[in-house]
Amino acid sequence: DAGVIQSPRHEVTEMGQEVTLRCKLISGHNSLFWYRQTMMRGLELLIYFNNNVPIDDSGMPEDRFSAKMPNASFSTLKIQPSEPRDSAVYFCASSWGTGRGTEAFFGQGTRLTVV
Amino acid sequence: KQEVTQIPAALSVPEGENLVLNCSFTDSAIYNLQWFRQDPGKGLTSLLLIQSSQREQTSGRLNASLDKSSGRSTLYIAASQPGDSATYLCSYSSASKIIFGSGTRLSIRP
Repeated sequence: DAGVIQSPRHEVTEMGQEVTLRCKLISGHNSLFWYRQTMMRGLELLIYFNNNVPIDDSGMPEDRFSAKMPNASFSTLKIQPSEPRDSAVYFCASSWGTGRGTEAFFGQGTRLTVV
Repeated sequence: KQEVTQIPAALSVPEGENLVLNCSFTDSAIYNLQWFRQDPGKGLTSLLLIQSSQREQTSGRLNASLDKSSGRSTLYIAASQPGDSATYLCSYSSASKIIFGSGTRLSIRP
């Protein structure tokens, strides 16, 4: 298995534009996590899905952020409209089981820069 | 309020030394604690996962311990190598959240 695959690896966009980050889970995994990493705040959990259902979205910063799982192996994180303070590295991770109690495997991340 | 604290923030040691990285947490009702390694510009690689019912886990030169009562975990690295240089993060999960520490940046000098 190729592991968790994220695209794009780098994204530079202008303030106000829509940004879509993509994540392909490891085959057979049923839990999906989106994280954001910045120097100031470290790693923060944004949202957690189990069996395609959002279980905990309390970490989503505001309504400009939305995440979906259109199928069991794929997820998107959308920011609309984007702002400079959204600049960060966004990671997704997948695991098998109920999610919180299992080992998570991370993608390589998407480095987002909003100018 | 820092829920996960990792000490030290940075550490530089000569090759071959044994070392200990520390992680302390404030939540007593954790499901598990996980240690990760992050190389610059890369994602996180899981090293060891300790369930709440376990006291320690070992993988090769790595040993992680968990003491829930005191809210502490340690990652022991034996016979360190330059290839161990990376940032090491600990993370715990509970019923309501998954929290990461800010990491220990480890540098092993040849």
